[in-house]
Amino acid sequence: GAVVSQHPSWVICKSGTSVKIECRSLDFQATTMFWYRQFPKQSLMLMATSNEGSKATYEQGVEKDKFLINHASLTLSTLTVTSAHPEDSSFYICSRSRYPLAAFFGQGTRLTVV
Amino acid sequence: AQSVAQPEDQVNVAEGNPLTVKCTYSVSGNPYLFWYVQYPNRGLQFLLKYITGDNLVKGSYGFEAEFNKSQTSFHLKKPSALVSDSALYFCAVRDPRNAGNMLTFGGGTRLMVKP
Repeated sequence: GAVVSQHPSWVICKSGTSVKIECRSLDFQATTMFWYRQFPKQSLMLMATSNEGSKATYEQGVEKDKFLINHASLTLSTLTVTSAHPEDSSFYICSRSRYPLAAFFGQGTRLTVV
Repeated sequence: AQSVAQPEDQVNVAEGNPLTVKCTYSVSGNPYLFWYVQYPNRGLQFLLKYITGDNLVKGSYGFEAEFNKSQTSFHLKKPSALVSDSALYFCAVRDPRNAGNMLTFGGGTRLMVKP
């Protein structure tokens, strides 16, 4: 069964509104989780590393004020896309790692901003 | 910096034929290598990994991959393709010395298996 649960699977929102995506680690307390973004027909791009109890680490070029990450507990990380615009439409995927083993990914969230 | 290359955007195979999806990597130390599969509008599913040991790694759904250190490759293979294998495949690498533990993905290869 799934070890990382991501919700919602898809969401449509109006331009200017904010959307929150949840990522839960179901079987393991994850101090670190990762958020990826995938553009159509492209690979995954790491957006940020979410650290429990501290600020997220953002990759270069990712706007931290646009993509708010909160990792308030060992099993939940959230990504909030603030003031969403159509160019934010994408597939967002979270993951957690059990180093050095494989990463486990959420089901992904397809965000469409209209 | 670590990187992964998947030279083929798409691989077309007839059902029942063997398939190969290529992957080469660049990392400073000894790599941890992974293959993932992605079905439409879904997250990624783990197929197999190489950490250490036998260079031939067997994974889910009949897939296997061979780690070749001299060629810095980790090609994904399956002896007999199924139509249901049609999906997007990603190779990924992690440098074990990288404290960030994040994966670097290749660009992905779309596998099309035709009946």
